[in-house]
Amino acid sequence: DTEVTQTPKHLVMGMTNKKSLKCEQHMGHRAMYWYKQKAKKPPELMFVYSYEKLSINESVPSRFSPECPNSSLLNLHLHALQPEDSALYLCASSHGTGLSGRTDTQYFGPGTRLTVL
Amino acid sequence: AQTVTQSQPEMSVQEAETVTLSCTYDTSENNYYLFWYKQPPSRQMILVIRQEAYKQQNATENRFSVNFQKAAKSFSLKISDSQLGDTAMYFCAFMVYSGGGADGLTFGKGTHLIIQP
Repeated sequence: DTEVTQTPKHLVMGMTNKKSLKCEQHMGHRAMYWYKQKAKKPPELMFVYSYEKLSINESVPSRFSPECPNSSLLNLHLHALQPEDSALYLCASSHGTGLSGRTDTQYFGPGTRLTVL
Repeated sequence: AQTVTQSQPEMSVQEAETVTLSCTYDTSENNYYLFWYKQPPSRQMILVIRQEAYKQQNATENRFSVNFQKAAKSFSLKISDSQLGDTAMYFCAFMVYSGGGADGLTFGKGTHLIIQP
């Protein structure tokens, strides 16, 4: 089973709202990722969590706040977003163990389509 | 920094034909992985095939195969007996093998493949 789930599927929010995106996997993966994808563009890496610790932050504005409460769950808290933040937000997970000979393939969720008004 | 280039923004072929999507990359790393992902209109990013740079043998998955030329930094995807369900955006992606496990993917801009009935 290579399923990553994301909720909600769609989210519309105003610039003063606070909302959260949720991502879950039960594959025992120890690495989880957030990507942002604008229309007709490739995904761009935002954050990487390894063993529940933030290991990569690609200079993302502080209005995006990631959280990894446990090894199966990844949240992205949103506050004071701008209309240009409207995009598809993709979550992914991988083994992340660095074991020799194991390709660290990332498996993606279906994404959350975010619209900021 | 790594770069991934997909020079074909869009391709269209007839059902049952064979099609090849091109991808080149640039890196100074020696240990890395290469992937092809497809993203249908449903937007779920789906793994098609993966290749470890240290393996000389080209990866194959049913109708999908790659031509990996490490010296030329080329990683093309061949789809045989193309089907209507193959219609999607195809992304070539690169990831450094960090040893510690988790690292982000660098994507090309994508090739929109259309299979005509």
